[in-house]
Amino acid sequence: GAGVSQSPSNKVTEKGKDVELRCDPISGHTALYWYRQSLGQGLEFLIYFQGNSAPDKSGLPSDRFSAERTGGSVSTLTIQRTQQEDSAVYLCASSIRDRGSYNEQFFGPGTRLTVL
Amino acid sequence: AQTVTQSQPEMSVQEAETVTLSCTYDTSESDYYLFWYKQPPSRQMILVIRQEAYKQQNATENRFSVNFQKAAKSFSLKISDSQLGDAAMYFCAYRRGKETSGSRLTFGEGTQLTVNP
Repeated sequence: GAGVSQSPSNKVTEKGKDVELRCDPISGHTALYWYRQSLGQGLEFLIYFQGNSAPDKSGLPSDRFSAERTGGSVSTLTIQRTQQEDSAVYLCASSIRDRGSYNEQFFGPGTRLTVL
Repeated sequence: AQTVTQSQPEMSVQEAETVTLSCTYDTSESDYYLFWYKQPPSRQMILVIRQEAYKQQNATENRFSVNFQKAAKSFSLKISDSQLGDAAMYFCAYRRGKETSGSRLTFGEGTQLTVNP
């Protein structure tokens, strides 16, 4: 079956522009996570969606960052008025459920964002 | 808050030899999971191995095994018979236990592994 997909693979934008990054989770996965990987760094959590519950936005670095998940499936991460420090790889992951027993997070290939 | 530390930014190993990657973590919780992920240049994060904190037995997956020292909060990865395809960035990660919702992963800084032919 298909894995987690993300688009675009690479995005170059100018400082101050808005960008949208898309994530298509594995079909049937109710939990969806966004992480950011800055150059030479580990991944940092951004936001988490679980079913119809309110998302956990505690990892978003500023109010320029927002995300939504429509119909419990596709998610879009939006960065407004991009800054050079937003340059990073943005990774999405999904899992079949969160509560209960262990559920592996499956990662997409990421979107590399470069802000000039 | 939980933290994960990988003190080896880079490691190298000769093909067919064994290498150990180090990881320490800090948590006040008793129920959690630990993971090792591999990230090749393709950026795809691949789960290598996981360990449940309540299990005393160290996890193994073929050539990969861990040394889980719960009291010391240490979780090292041993790769035996290293292959060229093992070359990648390796991340240690922590997740709160299964009874806790919103179980995000907390990652270390990563260790870049080079395998020399």
